[in-house]
Amino acid sequence: GAGVSQSPRYKVTKRGQDVALRCDPISGHVSLYWYRQALGQGPEFLTYFNYEAQQDKSGLPNDRFSAERPEGSISTLTIQRTEQRDSAMYRCASSFGAGSNEQYFGPGTRLTVT
Amino acid sequence: AQSVTQLGSHVSVSEGALVLLRCNYSSSVPPYLFWYVQYPNQGLQLLLKYTSAATLVKGINGFEAEFKKSETSFHLTKPSAHMSDAAEYFCAVRLSTGNQFYFGTGTSLTVIP
Repeated sequence: GAGVSQSPRYKVTKRGQDVALRCDPISGHVSLYWYRQALGQGPEFLTYFNYEAQQDKSGLPNDRFSAERPEGSISTLTIQRTEQRDSAMYRCASSFGAGSNEQYFGPGTRLTVT
Repeated sequence: AQSVTQLGSHVSVSEGALVLLRCNYSSSVPPYLFWYVQYPNQGLQLLLKYTSAATLVKGINGFEAEFKKSETSFHLTKPSAHMSDAAEYFCAVRLSTGNQFYFGTGTSLTVIP
């Protein structure tokens, strides 16, 4: 596609429910990153893929968070048993290759846990 | 440990005035440095990047930044602010030895007509 897309753009869920956030990177981009951005803060690294391999998941806050990219393209970030503190903007970015310095960001998914 | 500090969460300038957004970093190895801009309801867009070539980097929309190793700074400047520059600006660092990007907390720029 022309840019990184994310869906849904907005998600409201009740505490305790599971949510899945989708990222569709730019076609051909090898690397894919997930970030979380709280209000008034900069993006915080969550996890990173090269192709289908999850290279670094050190930023995932706890084991309720997981991510996958099974075919090296679309990625899903899943949050199980959501809590109110999970409310944030979740951003996805992709880049052409591992070590590439230019990341292209999607518009984000605004998650609200009530 | 790596970190990025942006001094001033809100900056206001008059239209036509100099824009100066400050960014300092701490890094144990030579970093790559970036400035991103975020317009409302949009994703972050790369303004410019420093990757160990020229220390003065020119970006889009008339912005530029200078890498000063002695001051561990990478401040963003624009000689003359335009109304369309009003946005949130983020400084980020990536180590040359890794793939993680570390972002500052952002500076909201307001341009006064």
